Amino acid sequence: EVQLLESGGGLGQPGGSLRLSCAASGFTFSNYAMNWVRQAPGKGLEWVSLISGSGNTYYADSVEGRFTISRDNSKNMLFLQMNSLRAEDTAVYYCAKGYTSSSLTFDYWGQGALVTVSS
Amino acid sequence: DIQMTQSPSSLSASVGDRVTITCRASQGIGNYLAWFQQKPGKPPKSLIYEASSLQSGVPSKFSGSGYGTDFSLTISSLQPEDFATYYCQQYHSFPLTFGGGAKVEIK
Repeated sequence: EVQLLESGGGLGQPGGSLRLSCAASGFTFSNYAMNWVRQAPGKGLEWVSLISGSGNTYYADSVEGRFTISRDNSKNMLFLQMNSLRAEDTAVYYCAKGYTSSSLTFDYWGQGALVTVSS
Repeated sequence: DIQMTQSPSSLSASVGDRVTITCRASQGIGNYLAWFQQKPGKPPKSLIYEASSLQSGVPSKFSGSGYGTDFSLTISSLQPEDFATYYCQQYHSFPLTFGGGAKVEIK
């Protein structure tokens, strides 16, 4: 059974940093692209970042240069380092598994981690 | 960026109704279109990929169609568990983008 479990959310200061983690199990982690997707309170879904199984990375314009996605295939872990936080980064952040090794859509989602940016 | 426009943004329907939600892309995306269902306080659930292929375990009352710029999601007979918000997503090119959502409510 595929499981994705996010951690590391919480309260961050404007201009500060937070790091999200996602522990994956139930599939061969290194074979799949992984994503972060966020949802601001009461709003729709916004794709944030993707990392391929081999480590190629892609970002939304809204986070480019501030957020860094990474993965540790030996530990089945996905990360999102969030720097220079802004109020508009407040959202639930979901870890989402790529449908196939090359697909850019998602089949499994974690439960989400709430990030609140406020002074 | 490819803009995804869903309509309607909300609708009221009764149990047993046939419901169709549409999604339009600002440029052609082939069949690189997925649909997701989200209930309040829960993560999204994947329903359909490649415009018309059902994800494993998704009941056949859900169906998707379309190609290029115009797509639709149909629920053949609405059940209480289907009341939710539905999102489309294009994965033709980066940045990956979602539609604004279509909320299906009980009439």
